[in-house]
Amino acid sequence: GQQLNQSPQSMFIQEGEDVSMNCTSSSIFNTWLWYKQDPGEGPVLLIALYKAGELTSNGRLTAQFGITRKDSFLNISASIPSDVGIYFCAGRAGGSNYKLTFGKGTLLTVNP
Amino acid sequence: DTAVSQTPKYLVTQMGNDKSIKCEQNLGHDTMYWYKQDSKKFLKIMFSYNNKELIINETVPNRFSPKSPDKAHLNLHINSLELGDSAVYFCASSQVEGRAFFGQGTRLTVV
Repeated sequence: GQQLNQSPQSMFIQEGEDVSMNCTSSSIFNTWLWYKQDPGEGPVLLIALYKAGELTSNGRLTAQFGITRKDSFLNISASIPSDVGIYFCAGRAGGSNYKLTFGKGTLLTVNP
Repeated sequence: DTAVSQTPKYLVTQMGNDKSIKCEQNLGHDTMYWYKQDSKKFLKIMFSYNNKELIINETVPNRFSPKSPDKAHLNLHINSLELGDSAVYFCASSQVEGRAFFGQGTRLTVV
């Protein structure tokens, strides 16, 4: 089945630093999504990407849909303490396939 | 108003019991899902319904039975609970384009 490799598994950074994480897939996706999960909560959608090469921003967050359609990255600029959490990438093959496959997550810790 | 709401938030029960988790969405979406998040935070899809029709049924023990009475509701019933069923179960909904919105989760602990 489809697998997503998300890296890094965890990051420990200082407030104000930029951070980047990425996902690669063994197969092509038509949709890439990035989520953030806070402790005790459900994943919250941050950015959705629908076209190869698409670059989309949401405040300090920027994500790109790789041109091969097998990868995506998420950048967070000028990190702040409330950026702490687990970030997940998710991909969907498209067509009648509704299944979202998730990466294993990147745990981000921000030191004030 | 909460878009995707699931109850209960916490569920502690003994092995062998049968329990249900309920989910409702008010987003008007056609598709609903159940995901299981294990202790390592890995999110794995279990089931998906589209307009009350089962469209995704991953390799899940048949002790787990989803039921969708209408497209705004998707419940999960679990029979003969086992220790390994302890996890956080998330309900989600989406439209066709795949942007899934998640509930707050139900933390199931089997003792």
